[in-house]
Amino acid sequence: DSGVTQTPKHLITATGQRVTLRCSPRSGDLSVYWYQQSLDQGLQFLIQYYNGEERAKGNILERFSAQQFPDLHSELNLSSLELGDSALYFCASSPQTGGNSPLHFGNGTRLTVT
Amino acid sequence: AQSVTQLDSQVPVFEEAPVELRCNYSSSVSVYLFWYVQYPNQGLQLLLKYLSGSTLVKGINGFEAEFNKSQTSFHLRKPSVHISDTAEYFCAVSPSGGYQKVTFGIGTKLQVIP
Repeated sequence: DSGVTQTPKHLITATGQRVTLRCSPRSGDLSVYWYQQSLDQGLQFLIQYYNGEERAKGNILERFSAQQFPDLHSELNLSSLELGDSALYFCASSPQTGGNSPLHFGNGTRLTVT
Repeated sequence: AQSVTQLDSQVPVFEEAPVELRCNYSSSVSVYLFWYVQYPNQGLQLLLKYLSGSTLVKGINGFEAEFNKSQTSFHLRKPSVHISDTAEYFCAVSPSGGYQKVTFGIGTKLQVIP
């Protein structure tokens, strides 16, 4: 058990809809990262937060947004969903922002857009 | 910018045989290197990491990796695999300074054949 909790585990929704994915980091971790994993793209970095502030941005679409709350949990909002957004979305956490801290991953949210 | 190349998308190997999963990276700055493993329906777990010091790094489950700076490689090895090692393995690189922006390889699926 990594200590990172993601909800829900599965999500099925229709094109054009909006969904929110939730992540609770490991106790004591201040950094939260979001990744998208699909068969053809591999593991793509979306965005990173540290103690409530955005620290790094990757290949995140404008239709997607995220935030980290004062209690350090994070939410990833996906809107105007398209079929191509179907993927596994992982949240990971680490104590700091430094590159020497390994990431601790949740079990992911599987999003299916129909 | 940094990138990671995992040269083999799938590696079949017989049980109790040795295995090597290859990883090459490219970066303009010094890096930290990681191997993660993903079992079916789970998130990624850290196998081992290279931060500094000895270039031969030992990890969990009998895996080890060797950092070769001149060849910019970080290959993962295990002398004798078990059925339970069947999983997907990801090589990752992170810059050693500044904010952590971890770049993952596309992954290598290790299939252990009984």
